[in-house]
Amino acid sequence: DQQVKQNSPSLSVQEGRISILNCDYTNSMFDYFLWYKKYPAEGPTFLISISSIKDKNEDGRFTVFLNKSAKHLSLHIVPSQPGDSAVYFCAASGDKVIFGPGTSLSVIP
Amino acid sequence: DAMVIQNPRYQVTQFGKPVTLSCSQTLNHNVMYWYQQKSSQAPKLLFHYYDKDFNNEADTPDNFQSRRPNTSFCFLDIRSPGLGDAAMYLCATSRESGRINQPQHFGDGTRLSIL
Repeated sequence: DQQVKQNSPSLSVQEGRISILNCDYTNSMFDYFLWYKKYPAEGPTFLISISSIKDKNEDGRFTVFLNKSAKHLSLHIVPSQPGDSAVYFCAASGDKVIFGPGTSLSVIP
Repeated sequence: DAMVIQNPRYQVTQFGKPVTLSCSQTLNHNVMYWYQQKSSQAPKLLFHYYDKDFNNEADTPDNFQSRRPNTSFCFLDIRSPGLGDAAMYLCATSRESGRINQPQHFGDGTRLSIL
């Protein structure tokens, strides 16, 4: 039973355009959400997070939006750069962290 | 730089032969985690230590054990590896656990292959 879902295994975006990565969760007790980025042969690295009391958090080119009623969050990257090509994991936190399966983003120059 | 280091990066073992994966950290974090990740799947938490307190996930097989001799080091022992245990094993740390609102810091993983 997947509590955190990332229904798009992969996404391709042109350089300079917006990348939107989506994440859905089922447990309303989650109160903190994180995005991690993973390059091949490296461990995941923390990218950005959002508390459930907020609906938006922005850090440079990265913005995370949270829609609690829909149990949905999204990561926007704008403008997308080739160096953003990686696997992005959504994670939801309550008494422990649950990861989604990841979305592989390719930014095409 | 403070970091999480996993050794070895690649480990090959024989079916049924015990294997140990290691993780060290220079972050001085209280919590250390072990995850198993299979191809195209979410990292799956096996267990974690809060300081010396061991917390096992309910669905972690008994075949998997862990040791944390001190703050800096944590080991994952697989007593009798089966073919289904071939995976990437990720170690991570965080300052606190409980209701987690802090990011975890990951090592680069050990890829385990079973012959």
